[in-house]
Amino acid sequence: GQQLNQSPQSMFIQEGEDVSMNCTSSSIFNTWLWYKQDPGEGPVLLIALYKAGELTSNGRLTAQFGITRKDSFLNISASIPSDVGIYFCAEYSGGGADGLTFGKGTHLIIQP
Amino acid sequence: KAGVTQTPRYLIKTRGQQVTLSCSPISGHRSVSWYQQTPGQGLQFLFEYFSETQRNKGNFPGRFSGRQFSNSRSEMNVSTLELGDSALYLCASRVANTGELFFGEGSRLTVL
Repeated sequence: GQQLNQSPQSMFIQEGEDVSMNCTSSSIFNTWLWYKQDPGEGPVLLIALYKAGELTSNGRLTAQFGITRKDSFLNISASIPSDVGIYFCAEYSGGGADGLTFGKGTHLIIQP
Repeated sequence: KAGVTQTPRYLIKTRGQQVTLSCSPISGHRSVSWYQQTPGQGLQFLFEYFSETQRNKGNFPGRFSGRQFSNSRSEMNVSTLELGDSALYLCASRVANTGELFFGEGSRLTVL
């Protein structure tokens, strides 16, 4: 089945630093999505990308759909304490009947 | 607009028992998906229901089943529980055939 390779697995950063994480796949996808999960909560959609090369921002978050359609990255600028959590990339192949395939997640930890 | 509601939030069962989890989607959302989240395997797609019909199923044994009612509420059932079924079970709803899912807070199942 499809597999998404998400890296890094965890990040320890200082408040105010910029963050970058990425996802790669061996398959081509129609949609890349980035979700964030806080402790005790379900994942929340951050950004959805629909076109190869698309660059989309949501506040301090920026994500890009790779031109090869096999990768995506998420950047967070000027990190703040509430950015702590697990970030998941996900792909959606379309067709209406498929579930999402998720990466294993990047655990972001911000040191004071 | 109320979010996705899952009940119960926490439950403890013993091996061999069965469990039923409930999910109420966002009003107007007709698609309900279920995911299993474990530390080792991450987020894995179980199945999706749309208009009371199962549209797709992930790679899980037949002990995992679900259904959807005419009001779009969904239930999932796990029979003959095993220790490995301990997980966070997440329900998600969506409007149309996109990857933009809205997750509930999950039901955390512990099997002893």
